[in-house]
Amino acid sequence: AQSVSQHNHHVILSEAASLELGCNYSYGGTVNLFWYVQYPGQHLQLLLKYFSGDPLVKGIKGFEAEFIKSKFSFNLRKPSVQWSDTAEYFCAVNPWNTGNQFYFGTGTSLTVIP
Amino acid sequence: DAGVIQSPRHEVTEMGQEVTLRCKPISGHNSLFWYRQTMMRGLELLIYFNNNVPIDDSGMPEDRFSAKMPNASFSTLKIQPSEPRDSAVYFCASGIAGGVNEQFFGPGTRLTVL
Repeated sequence: AQSVSQHNHHVILSEAASLELGCNYSYGGTVNLFWYVQYPGQHLQLLLKYFSGDPLVKGIKGFEAEFIKSKFSFNLRKPSVQWSDTAEYFCAVNPWNTGNQFYFGTGTSLTVIP
Repeated sequence: DAGVIQSPRHEVTEMGQEVTLRCKPISGHNSLFWYRQTMMRGLELLIYFNNNVPIDDSGMPEDRFSAKMPNASFSTLKIQPSEPRDSAVYFCASGIAGGVNEQFFGPGTRLTVL
């Protein structure tokens, strides 16, 4: 079965600190990759996505993620976090041969301290 | 576009009662997904439809759960009878099947079963 692992369950950072959230998946074929963010009390929103091409993708609000195929990883990064980045972050994998079925990680809760 | 619309936003009911959650996908989208989010289990896919046809319902926890999509603009998730362990936030998402596209999430329905 496909799996998506987010090893950091809860991260606490001070403002201006750098962020890296890990995401690893188990599927061996071609995949589309996504990071979603869920602000407190809100629904999931897309941060960024990777389909093909440059493995370093840039998303909204200064976030970026790098796809490393050999490591089955798609880690999310931001050089300097803000208090407003406090949210839950979900990695999702869409294997090409599954149509548009997504597999989500369990999420990482980020708390940014002012 | 109004985005994915879900109703009600909050539902409080007593154990044993029937609960119906509703979703209107984004116009033009032909895939629809129902997810359940809890603290313990994270985000779980319950069922998804392509072109109004259920494709994978393996995530539906029990026979008490059923979902329908009578047309391209409406879907329901029904729980009968409801139990306290069904308390969760239920999200509906829509997308375009057959392409490399993201899923767009609705605001969710927070269900509390007493």
